[in-house]
Amino acid sequence: SAVISQKPSRDICQRGTSLTIQCQVDSQVTMMFWYRQQPGQSLTLIATANQGSEATYESGFVIDKFPISRPNLTFSTLTVSNMSPEDSSIYLCSIRQASYEQYFGPGTRLTVT
Amino acid sequence: EDKVVQSPLSLVVHEGDTVTLNCSYEVTNFRSLLWYKQEKKAPTFLFMLTSSGIEKKSGRLSSILDKKELFSILNITATQTGDSAIYLCAVDGSSGNTGKLIFGQGTTLQVKP
Repeated sequence: SAVISQKPSRDICQRGTSLTIQCQVDSQVTMMFWYRQQPGQSLTLIATANQGSEATYESGFVIDKFPISRPNLTFSTLTVSNMSPEDSSIYLCSIRQASYEQYFGPGTRLTVT
Repeated sequence: EDKVVQSPLSLVVHEGDTVTLNCSYEVTNFRSLLWYKQEKKAPTFLFMLTSSGIEKKSGRLSSILDKKELFSILNITATQTGDSAIYLCAVDGSSGNTGKLIFGQGTTLQVKP
């Protein structure tokens, strides 16, 4: 399977600031996704990162809060804007391979104080 | 509304025991069911199941899908302390082949020496 890297691995941020998380894949993939896992909860899809066009957001997530870029088939960024303590979560990028198997990056643990 | 339900939510066993984790689902357009193991941040892919009755096996882990009864089980035989983790079940039930995964709550497995 493809190798997925994310950075930063973790960060502690102050409320009101923004953080951009990067996701890099070692091969071209058509489908990339961003998930959030709040403390003690399961994973929830934030959006599908579309190459060359605007991301497709799930209900409850908006572009102003979670802008996403996908400049090519190996890279994507997720920004968490104007952060509040409720944004403290693990953020994960994932890819879907041609086999339809989905793999996750190592995750970014965000703490907002 | 599409949903995935896992049971039990938590389980404590001793090394050498065999465990069975359950996942039931209700989705509009079933495409596949995936199992993951989550130890720290990133879910690690275990299996993807698309056809009923065909067992997937990897070492001490195995899984099978029943599309008639809408459930899957994950079996772990001869458990080891390294099997301690959260096991996540996810279903790709997206219309339009979007790849969106719906996750269950997870089963937390603790294996005691």
